[in-house]
Amino acid sequence: KQEVTQIPAALSVPEGENLVLNCSFTDSAIYNLQWFRQDPGKGLTSLLLIQSSQREQTSGRLNASLDKSSGRSTLYIAASQPGDSATYLCAVGNGQNFVFGPGTRLSVLP
Amino acid sequence: ETGVTQSPTHLIKTRGQQVTLRCSSQSGHNTVSWYQQALGQGPQFIFQYYREEENGRGNFPPRFSGLQFPNYSSELNVNALELDDSALYLCASSSGTDDHNSPLHFGNGTRLTVT
Repeated sequence: KQEVTQIPAALSVPEGENLVLNCSFTDSAIYNLQWFRQDPGKGLTSLLLIQSSQREQTSGRLNASLDKSSGRSTLYIAASQPGDSATYLCAVGNGQNFVFGPGTRLSVLP
Repeated sequence: ETGVTQSPTHLIKTRGQQVTLRCSSQSGHNTVSWYQQALGQGPQFIFQYYREEENGRGNFPPRFSGLQFPNYSSELNVNALELDDSALYLCASSSGTDDHNSPLHFGNGTRLTVT
């Protein structure tokens, strides 16, 4: 059974810092991994999807990497802004559904 | 391009009642998945519908059931509501089960409170 964990559970940083969010999964037989952002009480916004054959994906200030063999992914956020404050979730795709981690709650202080 | 829409946004029900939640998928998407998200946790997979058939199910009891219609919209039905069913119910659409790398696009969810 696939299990997904995220470290840290919460993170508070001053504006402008670069930061890394971590995601680990137990079963390396995955199709892809997707990172989401969730604002309080809202749905999930897709940030990046990395296919199992890829090592990383970039979108603006976001860069996600995938090391399938070690069961790890990282989301790198450059030059953080207060508007980046949200919960970030990673989800591992098994070809039919996604298994989610519990999320990292990020606060970027002005 | 129309995104995923869910209704209602909030709902309060009493234990033992039944509820129906609705979802319209993003245009061009033929697959709908439903997830339950308890407070402070990641979403848990309930089931997926593809071409009006259930195409996979998570660890949820039979009182959780669903439908998909020819226009790819979907319903989630929950019978005999329990207090633990209180959660945010999220609908996600994607472009098809043949494309295993199709990203999920979520709606804003329905917040269900069972008292």
